[in-house]
Amino acid sequence: NAGVTQTPKFRILKIGQSMTLQCTQDMNHNYMYWYRQDPGMGLKLIYYSVGAGITDKGEVPNGYNVSRSTTEDFPLRLELAAPSQTSVYFCASSYAGRWATGSNQPQHFGDGTRLSIL
Amino acid sequence: AQKVTQAQTEISVVEKEDVTLDCVYETRDTTYYLFWYKQPPSGELVFLIRRNSFDEQNEISGRYSWNFQKSTSSFNFTITASQVVDSAVYFCALSDVHPGDNTNAGKSTFGDGTTLTVKP
Repeated sequence: NAGVTQTPKFRILKIGQSMTLQCTQDMNHNYMYWYRQDPGMGLKLIYYSVGAGITDKGEVPNGYNVSRSTTEDFPLRLELAAPSQTSVYFCASSYAGRWATGSNQPQHFGDGTRLSIL
Repeated sequence: AQKVTQAQTEISVVEKEDVTLDCVYETRDTTYYLFWYKQPPSGELVFLIRRNSFDEQNEISGRYSWNFQKSTSSFNFTITASQVVDSAVYFCALSDVHPGDNTNAGKSTFGDGTTLTVKP
């Protein structure tokens, strides 16, 4: 059981290049998320998905695209890399079931992808 | 719009002291979720707790405890008898409910974090 796996761990891109950040989870979670974390800041939600075939924009979706063709995978696409997209990107997943109280249904995070655009 | 404020940018304590990390939130929603996460120096994110807006019961997990008060829009986190391993950045977050499924969290807003340093 690997949890949430992100690849690559590090990447340097040139301005205008494109790339896909991969995220896969093996916990059969229906919810998946992409966040970015800029230095000294909290996380900002880019996109999230409540199940295969369904995606929604978060707080900062511009410049990114996502797809969710399977339950396991939730790739994040940068089409035209810009210096403002230099950040650490985290993928997360959770299982959403019935209404729940308390501290259950945690979010599981990947280890992050550190992306630099030069 | 949602907002989360963690007014304490940095806190430094000596081991075995108790420490409280403050979190104040703003939302117009009546149903929402609150979270705390830990980010140690290694950079990974660790989920600590999730609460929904209808459950104001305080929660204790070992040395960790959380105090949720809707009247003051606060969700504070206390570490009792702090240890060096508690040194990390701690984030508080607020989520609305998913528009298609109001039993679960939707979009989330994070505070900027509180850096806790526990000295031996």
